[in-house]
Amino acid sequence: GAVVSQHPSWVICKSGTSVKIECRSLDFQATTMFWYRQFPKQSLMLMATSNEGSKATYEQGVEKDKFLINHASLTLSTLTVTSAHPEDSSFYICSARDPGSKNTGELFFGEGSRLTVL
Amino acid sequence: QKEVEQNSGPLSVPEGAIASLNCTYSDRGSQSFFWYRQYSGKSPELIMSIYSNGDKEDGRFTAQLNKASQYVSLLIRDSQPSDSATYLCAVNIGYKLSFGAGTTVTVRA
Repeated sequence: GAVVSQHPSWVICKSGTSVKIECRSLDFQATTMFWYRQFPKQSLMLMATSNEGSKATYEQGVEKDKFLINHASLTLSTLTVTSAHPEDSSFYICSARDPGSKNTGELFFGEGSRLTVL
Repeated sequence: QKEVEQNSGPLSVPEGAIASLNCTYSDRGSQSFFWYRQYSGKSPELIMSIYSNGDKEDGRFTAQLNKASQYVSLLIRDSQPSDSATYLCAVNIGYKLSFGAGTTVTVRA
């Protein structure tokens, strides 16, 4: 299947600092990538849809100025958590659809990035 | 009403038994349905996709879809300890993939 790589896999930062997470599609081009957040023992919640060359689409309740998304190329999307606070501590997972996938609508997930804000 | 709902867990089954997972969804227009498996601390991985009413079998896994009832299920036959994980039902609603809360399955050796 298609490969989506995410980096870093875990990060610890101090409150008030910013953290950038990268998501790359390694063997396909992704015009759209999706960023999810998962709190412990909860399901994946879609935060935003990242569109190559244009602004991201944010879900209701997600602050666009806090979670900056940049999708500068067909294989790279970045999520920057600005002025992070302890409540932002979570598991952030990116995903993308491979146009060549035999399963219509299937999402391929990155490994996830666990953010801990002290 | 939540977009995707799963039967509450956790579900504990003995090794070799059948684990049955259920899911309902709200959007009658949805056409694509998926079951993902997620191990603790890891990202989800696709187990099954189903698009048409009826059953779809892949090894020990069988997905069942009933669009009239807006219902999707997953059966795991001959459950193994390695099947212990959280299973997420996912439904395409528009361009988005919406997930249920997940059902945690524990297979007892």
